[in-house]
Amino acid sequence: AQSVAQPEDQVNVAEGNPLTVKCTYSVSGNPYLFWYVQYPNRGLQFLLKYITGDNLVKGSYGFEAEFNKSQTSFHLKKPSALVSDSALYFCAVRDGVNQGGKLIFGQGTELSVKP
Amino acid sequence: EAGVAQSPRYKIIEKRQSVAFWCNPISGHATLYWYQQILGQGPKLLIQFQNNGVVDDSQLPKDRFSAERLKGVDSTLKIQPAKLEDSAVYLCASSPAQSLHFGNGTRLTVT
Repeated sequence: AQSVAQPEDQVNVAEGNPLTVKCTYSVSGNPYLFWYVQYPNRGLQFLLKYITGDNLVKGSYGFEAEFNKSQTSFHLKKPSALVSDSALYFCAVRDGVNQGGKLIFGQGTELSVKP
Repeated sequence: EAGVAQSPRYKIIEKRQSVAFWCNPISGHATLYWYQQILGQGPKLLIQFQNNGVVDDSQLPKDRFSAERLKGVDSTLKIQPAKLEDSAVYLCASSPAQSLHFGNGTRLTVT
């Protein structure tokens, strides 16, 4: 069965510093991996995805993520954090064998960026 | 393009009452999902439609939850009767391919 783990409930970063939000996954086939962001009282917004190809994926708002097959990880990164990046971040995975299959979400990581 | 529309935004009901949520997906998106997001947790899939057919409803509590997408466009999710543990945000999403587009959700409080 597919699953996603986000080991940190909260990540605190100073503005201007690099940030990393961790994600590991488990699927039986090739993974389709996603990052979403959720602001208070809003739905989830798509940030980026990995389907195939280059392991480094660039997405919205300056975020990027690196797919690491050997470590089954897909960590979200940003070189310089902004206060406005403070939000809830969700990693998600779909088993690529079933491309129309359900998206499984991690429990979320709350990112707090302080001035 | 217009996003996924959901209504109502908020709903407060007493336990054992009934409630219904409505979702209008992005035009042309064949796949529609209903997710339940309990506070402090990630979204959990309740049901997935492909056009007007059910693809996955394995985690839908069918004794109290029901959903339909009769014409392959709009969808409704109903809870009858509601329990305290149903308090959550109910998110609708639609998809043309791999990425899901989410609505702002309906926050349900059961007292």
